Amino acid sequence: AQRVTQPEKLLSVFKGAPVELKCNYSYSGSPELFWYVQYSRQRLQLLLRHISRESIKGFTADLNKGETSFHLKKPFAQEEDSAMYYCALTFGSSNTGKLIFGQGTTLQVKP
Amino acid sequence: EAQVTQNPRYLITVTGKKLTVTCSQNMNHEYMSWYRQDPGLGLRQIYYSMNVEVTDKGDVPEGYKVSRKEKRNFPLILESPSPNQTSLYFCASRPDRGLLSYEQYFGPGTRLTVT
Repeated sequence: AQRVTQPEKLLSVFKGAPVELKCNYSYSGSPELFWYVQYSRQRLQLLLRHISRESIKGFTADLNKGETSFHLKKPFAQEEDSAMYYCALTFGSSNTGKLIFGQGTTLQVKP
Repeated sequence: EAQVTQNPRYLITVTGKKLTVTCSQNMNHEYMSWYRQDPGLGLRQIYYSMNVEVTDKGDVPEGYKVSRKEKRNFPLILESPSPNQTSLYFCASRPDRGLLSYEQYFGPGTRLTVT
């Protein structure tokens, strides 16, 4: 079955330190992978998607099909990065492609 | 402003009292979905709809019903709520343009407590 695993419930770092939020998935085909972010008291929103190969707010994520991973990285964390981060996967045809979420990782950036 | 709205935002109810959480989107999206968010479990899909009058079960549909009579609305119905349905609920929508990579737009969430 398709699955997304985020092994860390909480990641706490100091401002300016590098950040890596881990995400591993299980799916035999070619999935579409996303990172969604939920800031305090705000709705869930897309941070980035692997197909775009973009960097958003200094974050990047590379799809590693060999390791079935899609880790989110940022070289220098900022306090405003503190939020809940969800890795998500979708697959199949576009009209039935649901999002499968990981358990989420809370990132806490300390001053 | 393009958005997904949900009502109510907060609801406390008692076991067995039917309730409906409304969801509406103004982006003409075909695909709509309901998720519940629980600590340690992330978001899990309850039901989804590919278009008007087309709905299907997600991963945790038990105890829920949905309908899609209009493209913009996708209400979630709890016929007989139970305490294990206490959760934070999110509605989401996405265009169906043939690509999986389109992002889903989420509502602000509805916090439901069933006593």
